[in-house]
Amino acid sequence: NTVMTQSPTSMFISVGDRVTMNCKASQNVGTNVDWYQQKTGQSPKLLIYGASNRYTGVPDRFTGSGSGTDFTLTISNMQAEDLAVYYCLQYNYNPNTFGAGTKLELK
Amino acid sequence: EVQLQESGPGLVKPSQSLSLTCSVTGYSITSNYWGWIRKFPGNKMEWMGYISYSGSTSYNPSLKSRISITRDTSKNQFFLQLNSVTTEDTATYYCARYGIVMPTSHWYFDFWGPGTMVTVSS
Repeated sequence: NTVMTQSPTSMFISVGDRVTMNCKASQNVGTNVDWYQQKTGQSPKLLIYGASNRYTGVPDRFTGSGSGTDFTLTISNMQAEDLAVYYCLQYNYNPNTFGAGTKLELK
Repeated sequence: EVQLQESGPGLVKPSQSLSLTCSVTGYSITSNYWGWIRKFPGNKMEWMGYISYSGSTSYNPSLKSRISITRDTSKNQFFLQLNSVTTEDTATYYCARYGIVMPTSHWYFDFWGPGTMVTVSS
């Protein structure tokens, strides 16, 4: 299986911060990576598909980048409503596999 | 608006079968692909499989022959059956719709159900 290694596991941040989290694939997955946001008690919400395409309605402070094995999700100007766990997902190979998540918490 | 809702028993005994229903409104399951994903205690997420608009299926090999995804197009529902469950199958189960972008073939889960918690315990 393709292992998606997310880092860091958690981050303590302040409103207004620029936040960068990473996802490393154990093999080349092209740009077949999505990013999801999951808030406590809610189902996941799609942010980015195809590594860098912002989904409809997603604020432009969310940016995805990368290809091959290394991917990044950046949140510029972090807002309190962005506190959540963020997951990457590769769909280049079966089985599709998720990263373990990056949890954003307030300092 | 597309809406999905999972339903089924919240408690299943070890060695028995877990059966869940995903009821879809606002969109026909004879279009797109429809998947099941689960989230274990501790936040690990696992893709379980999907059923396509035509009824074809694909499963996570880790679930081997335990899993089956079927559908009832007349009720606009699709189903998950997981056999021979153990405590390791305790999780929140989500159904979701696939969106697919052509011609790039990028795909994603664009609509999710709220999830249903299933505990496997005697």
